Amino acid sequence: NAGVTQTPKFQVLKTGQSMTLQCAQDMNHNSMYWYRQDPGMGLRLIYYSASEGTTDKGEVPNGYNVSRLNKREFSLRLESAAPSQTSVYFCASIRLAGPYEQYFGPGTRLTVT
Amino acid sequence: GENVEQHPSTLSVQEGDSAVIKCTYSDSASNYFPWYKQELGKRPQLIIDIRSNVGEKKDQRIAVTLNKTAKHFSLHITETQPEDSAVYFCAASTSGTASKLTFGTGTRLQVTL
Repeated sequence: NAGVTQTPKFQVLKTGQSMTLQCAQDMNHNSMYWYRQDPGMGLRLIYYSASEGTTDKGEVPNGYNVSRLNKREFSLRLESAAPSQTSVYFCASIRLAGPYEQYFGPGTRLTVT
Repeated sequence: GENVEQHPSTLSVQEGDSAVIKCTYSDSASNYFPWYKQELGKRPQLIIDIRSNVGEKKDQRIAVTLNKTAKHFSLHITETQPEDSAVYFCAASTSGTASKLTFGTGTRLQVTL
């Protein structure tokens, strides 16, 4: 049981390049989330998916797109990377019922030069 | 939307002393308040949570208190140990579950010998 996995762990992009961050969970969870973490700013929600086939904007969605490919996978895409998107990105998932806890992935450290 | 403020941003205590971290929230409809611990370079992990129908909850050396009238909640760590050194995040949700969490900006706790 791997929990929540993210790829890649590290990435360096040039301004204007695009990339997709991958997230997968094997816990049969319904809801999945993407956060960014910046020093002194805490964790800010980018997008979330309450269930397969649905996605909604969070607090800081500009410059990002998401795809809930199936129940297991939730990807985050940067179409044209900017230095302001340099951050650590975390994916998380939870069940819709039962003990409530957001399980976080190990994170992706992204640098945009 | 919900706004969560967290203080202090850094906290240094001697081993064996107690540590208190405080958070305030703005939305009176918030009803679920988790606390996450993030060690350096690792993912955030849930350490304790409380719901609005409870005023206090304890788990060994960790306790959380909630004052709904004042809209604030606090994390108390007693008999601190070096392994308690980490960044702690509070969060709030109006859904009664771990979905749609709004996080505080974090407190870096340093436990010195």
